[in-house]
Parts: sequence; structure tokens; C-alpha cells
Amino acid sequence: DAKTTQPPSMDCAEGRAANLPCNHSTISGNEYVYWYRQIHSQGPQYIIHGLKNNETNEMASLIITEDRKSSTLILPHATLRDTAVYYCIVRVSDSGNTGKLIFGQGTTLQVKP
Amino acid sequence: DSGVTQTPKHLITATGQRVTLRCSPRSGDLSVYWYQQSLDQGLQFLIQYYNGEERAKGNILERFSAQQFPDLHSELNLSSLELGDSALYFCASSVPGTPGPLHFGNGTRLTVT
Repeated sequence: DAKTTQPPSMDCAEGRAANLPCNHSTISGNEYVYWYRQIHSQGPQYIIHGLKNNETNEMASLIITEDRKSSTLILPHATLRDTAVYYCIVRVSDSGNTGKLIFGQGTTLQVKP
Repeated sequence: DSGVTQTPKHLITATGQRVTLRCSPRSGDLSVYWYQQSLDQGLQFLIQYYNGEERAKGNILERFSAQQFPDLHSELNLSSLELGDSALYFCASSVPGTPGPLHFGNGTRLTVT
């Protein structure tokens, strides 16, 4: 599985957009980009995933560069409850039903009033 | 609520003992994954089962074992416990085949004294 690089920490003002970057320069053509977050020792929470195209759901938007070597998770209007560790993970899409997620250190996002 | 249920929420036991952690996956999910999160190690993948069969193995100690039953619930057995086994243990489940995301339970906090 390709490795990812994320900044260890970021701050964001409440109500502003939080843009969390991720580099995955060795990503392969069959690997998806997934984003999870973990709030204070709770179970990791799935946010969004994508392969090539930009994706949006009720929680966030995912922007993937054309060469797929990096991506950005956007939380459009951050709230204090978005304070968490955010993980960017690349994951192989295969028919072998493996598909485990390998977590890195993630980015600690602190949303400030 | 992810739909993944883990019991017990907390477990305190002594060194040398054996414990069993239980996980009920989301309805329809055939894959179950186990993860360990200790303070200094981050989220570590332990093992995956798919429809009752072991499918992938990570950094799981020989003292640890798991199984998935016909009703698809899974158990993680930890034996000869050591102080260093104190951690959060998470279970996740997913539908067959990627790219369906993994959904995590809220974990079992194990304290070995």
C-alpha cells in the first residue's frame, strides 16, 4: 500500500473552512484515497473516499489532483466538534476481499473559537 | 452510531490472564477487522476475517488469536497478558469487496495491571 504524508497538526478558526492536505506520491492506479477521523479515543469515523474524481458528501469534500499524487480534505464550516485526528489512507481495491486500512500518524486538527 | 458493536467497553485484568473481546459487525458486512491502539503505537492492524476465514494478518502477537463465527460475529482472544497489552482494541466491518469503507466500533479499553 502506498504511504501518505500529512502535517502533524493544523489549526482552524471556527466557522472557516479547514483544508487538510495529504501527499501520496507513490499511489497506484487501483488505490483509493480514504479519509477517517478519530475524536478523543472513539472509534475512527469514516468521512469520504475517492479514486480520481472529486467527491462531496454531507461531511466533507475530497479534492484529488489530476496526477493523484496528493489530495485535500475540506471541511467547509469547521466547528469545535471537528477537533480530531484526521487520517489520510490509500487502500488497494481488489477482488480478494482484503482491503485492510493502514493508519499513519494523521493530522491533529484543532478548531479554535 | 456505526452499527458495529463491541463488548465489553472496559476490561481490567491482571498480568498472565486471558480475555475475550467480542465484536458484532454491521448487518450484511462479511469482513471483520481488528485493530490495536496503544499510546505510543497508533492504530495497528491485527487481523482480518472474511465470511469465517482468515484473510489478512498484521502485527498480531502469537499470544493473540481471533475467529469469526457462522453468525459473523468475531472474538479476539488475548492470553498471557502483559502490561504492554493495555490498549484500545477496535473492531471494524465492511461489505464484501472494496471500495466499501470500514466502519469502526467504539472499542474495548483493556487495562492490564
